[in-house]
Amino acid sequence: GDSVTQMEGPVTLSEEACLTINCTYTATGYPSLFWYVQYPGEGLQLLLKATKADDKGSNKGFEATYRKETTSFHLEKGSVQVSDSAVYFCALSDDFNKFYFGSGTKLNVKP
Amino acid sequence: GAVVSQHPSRVICKSGTSVKIECRSLDFQATTMFWYRQFPKKSLMLMATSNEGSKATYEQGVEKDKFLINHASLTLSTLTVTSAHPEDSSFYICGSGRTSGELFFGEGSRLTVL
Repeated sequence: GDSVTQMEGPVTLSEEACLTINCTYTATGYPSLFWYVQYPGEGLQLLLKATKADDKGSNKGFEATYRKETTSFHLEKGSVQVSDSAVYFCALSDDFNKFYFGSGTKLNVKP
Repeated sequence: GAVVSQHPSRVICKSGTSVKIECRSLDFQATTMFWYRQFPKKSLMLMATSNEGSKATYEQGVEKDKFLINHASLTLSTLTVTSAHPEDSSFYICGSGRTSGELFFGEGSRLTVL
């Protein structure tokens, strides 16, 4: 079945460091891919998405490229801020009706 | 702004009581809503898919009689945790999608059963 695997955390970085959170997926069809972010005590917010191969999603300085050949959707940011500290979830949707989430990666950014 | 709203955000109840959580779509009609449960340091587990005007579809291992779902209108779905016990303490999140294909989530409801 469909599934998402993402790197375990926590990831601790200093402010202005580069970030990469790995995400790979298994799907039978052609899924859409998403990154969601969860700030402490809050629900999930959509960060970015990509709906087909080679698409690049971007938002708030974060980027992720849909790589069909490596079945990956790694999240990257060139310079993280303290305010980026949160839990990041990679997800896929095979169709509109069902989403599969990775286990989440906690990011701690120190000043 | 928020497109899905969840209430209450926090609830504490005694063991054996029932708790209702509401999920509302604010600016679109949601024929389908999803209820997730999030365990500490774990990912989101899909509990059930709520369908407007019909019975909810539960995932394997989720007790239907324990977690009652009602989706009586196109903007409201409710999850009732019946006869709650401490092991039901968790973070419950609802989500719904638009035709754009992405899922929008409510703020989540943290249930603590004493």
